[in-house]
Amino acid sequence: GDSVTQMEGPVTLSEEACLTINCTYTATGYPSLFWYVQYPGEGLQLLLKATKADDKGSNKGFEATYRKETTSFHLEKGSVQVSDSAVYFCALSEPGNFNKFYFGSGTKLNVKP
Amino acid sequence: DGGITQSPKYLFRKEGQNVTLSCEQNLNHDAMYWYRQDPGQGLRLIYYSQIVNDFQKGDIAEGYSVSREKKESFPLTVTSAQKNPTAFYLCASSIVRQGALRDYGYTFGSGTRLTVV
Repeated sequence: GDSVTQMEGPVTLSEEACLTINCTYTATGYPSLFWYVQYPGEGLQLLLKATKADDKGSNKGFEATYRKETTSFHLEKGSVQVSDSAVYFCALSEPGNFNKFYFGSGTKLNVKP
Repeated sequence: DGGITQSPKYLFRKEGQNVTLSCEQNLNHDAMYWYRQDPGQGLRLIYYSQIVNDFQKGDIAEGYSVSREKKESFPLTVTSAQKNPTAFYLCASSIVRQGALRDYGYTFGSGTRLTVV
């Protein structure tokens, strides 16, 4: 079945450091891929998405490229800020399965000043 | 602005009690979902509904019940049969049409933290 695997956290970085959070997936078809962010005590917010191979999603300085050959969708940011501290979830949805997402387990990011 | 409202933000339950978590949306979304999140863990699907008066069990439905009498509302009841209910509960919604999840994903509420006392 479909699944998403994320690197375990927490990830602790200093401000202005580079960030990579790894995400790989298993899917039977051609899924869409998403990154959601959860700030402390809040719900999840859509950060970025990509709907087909080689697409790059980007938002707020974060980027992720849909790599079909490696079944990956790694989240990257060139210079993190303290305000980026949150939990990041990778997720996929399969075309035709209209009502279900598959979420990774989440990766907590701590950014120190 | 449209969105999803979950209430209350914090809820305390005594042993043996049923409690109901509210979820209301004004996005005109057809589908609604309940997820459970435990500390340091991902999201697990409890129930979902694609249309009024219909809903399906997710991966961890035991000890929970839902209703969908109105399009806007999808309340979750945590029953006394749920042995370990302390968790963060998230409600979400989405459009139901081909390609909608691809284009828009889910919209989430801000969550309810339930604690057994």
